Amino acid sequence: NAGVTQTPKFQVLKTGQSMTLQCAQDMNHNSMYWYRQDPGMGLRLIYYSASEGTTDKGEVPNGYNVSRLNKREFSLRLESAAPSQTSVYFCASSDRGRGYTFGSGTRLTVV
Amino acid sequence: GDSVTQMEGPVTLSEEAFLTINCTYTATGYPSLFWYVQYPGEGLQLLLKATKADDKGSNKGFEATYRKETTSFHLEKGSVQVSDSAVYFCALSDYGGSNYKLTFGKGTLLTVNP
Repeated sequence: NAGVTQTPKFQVLKTGQSMTLQCAQDMNHNSMYWYRQDPGMGLRLIYYSASEGTTDKGEVPNGYNVSRLNKREFSLRLESAAPSQTSVYFCASSDRGRGYTFGSGTRLTVV
Repeated sequence: GDSVTQMEGPVTLSEEAFLTINCTYTATGYPSLFWYVQYPGEGLQLLLKATKADDKGSNKGFEATYRKETTSFHLEKGSVQVSDSAVYFCALSDYGGSNYKLTFGKGTLLTVNP
């Protein structure tokens, strides 16, 4: 089925460890996004990419880096994980703002 | 910047009750408006959307009308079911700077009791 695929689905990290969350879409969308979801906060934008080769900071970029590897793939990296980064992470892609498709999420716990 | 304010929950209703979840927005341009639903332990699903003023989005008995004059997009359903228990997010998509971005409200938890 067409859509957005995120890996892994679950991850536990120790403080200071690094990891990369992977995201791929097969809908030929130009725009891709990373959000984090925390209780009572809704979803907040971490980074986004308007097209291959471009990335921009969102509302809460500190502690994260991203790579738009090609049109399909947009990865999110935590270089040195902190407990404050415990969250559920969602990747999304968009067709010029007319519709957004979300992945199933990654539940990350930093201990 | 863009923002979305939605009714804080939790909201608890009995089956077959009428539901309204209020949502208002602030945007610099002419946004598209969305309602997303998140069932327990799952990701986000698009419930309905409206792309211009006076449009009505509808799906699964839910409705919302894009009201530019009051900058609102309230979600309604005439008769809720237990299966409607979920978190509901209002969101807007606007073009700012270099790209379209989706901005969310904080979500409203709905619990429907039999």
